[in-house]
Amino acid sequence: NAGVTQTPKFRILKIGQSMTLQCTQDMNHNYMYWYRQDPGMGLKLIYYSVGAGITDKGEVPNGYNVSRSTTEDFPLRLELAAPSQTSVYFCASSYRGPDTQYFGPGTRLTVL
Amino acid sequence: QQQVKQSPQSLIVQKGGIPIINCAYENTAFDYFPWYQQFPGKGPALLIAIRPDVSEKKEGRFTISFNKSAKQFSLHIMDSQPGDSATYFCAASGGSARQLTFGSGTQLTVLP
Repeated sequence: NAGVTQTPKFRILKIGQSMTLQCTQDMNHNYMYWYRQDPGMGLKLIYYSVGAGITDKGEVPNGYNVSRSTTEDFPLRLELAAPSQTSVYFCASSYRGPDTQYFGPGTRLTVL
Repeated sequence: QQQVKQSPQSLIVQKGGIPIINCAYENTAFDYFPWYQQFPGKGPALLIAIRPDVSEKKEGRFTISFNKSAKQFSLHIMDSQPGDSATYFCAASGGSARQLTFGSGTQLTVLP
């Protein structure tokens, strides 16, 4: 099993550009999450999903959108990128909400 | 109610020392308390977790101590090694929550 995979690993965007961060898991997990990690600030939940077709906002959803059309994939869309979205983004999955979360390797995004 | 407060922000110990990282929570519905370990450039990974029906859990050199009445839990690393140098996050979940609430992280450095 590959676990949780994320692409790309690194990306530089200009202000106002859009992009999609890809996340795929092969563990047949129901729950999937997107976090952002800023230095010294821990992990902030952006969006999560409890199954295909079901998504919900986390702590910091503004400026982001998600979709969950399959169990495996949970892409994160950034519209009109802003410097405040410069961060490391982690995707995670778990079988149930309180269970062990398995994290991907992260995407380092810089908005200039 | 959803916050998990973690301290210290950073910690430096000598090899063989016993670093202790503390977390406190407010939500009495929390009933699952994991610790995640993150190495530079990697995603967090589950290290050890505890539920409030026990006051202590050991896995190898890692121990969680849990004080339900004080709403606090802590991570102890026995005989710490330079390879333990990483960022450690506590987290909590429970009740109707379908996601983890993470602490802000502790950057541990173990000197050789």
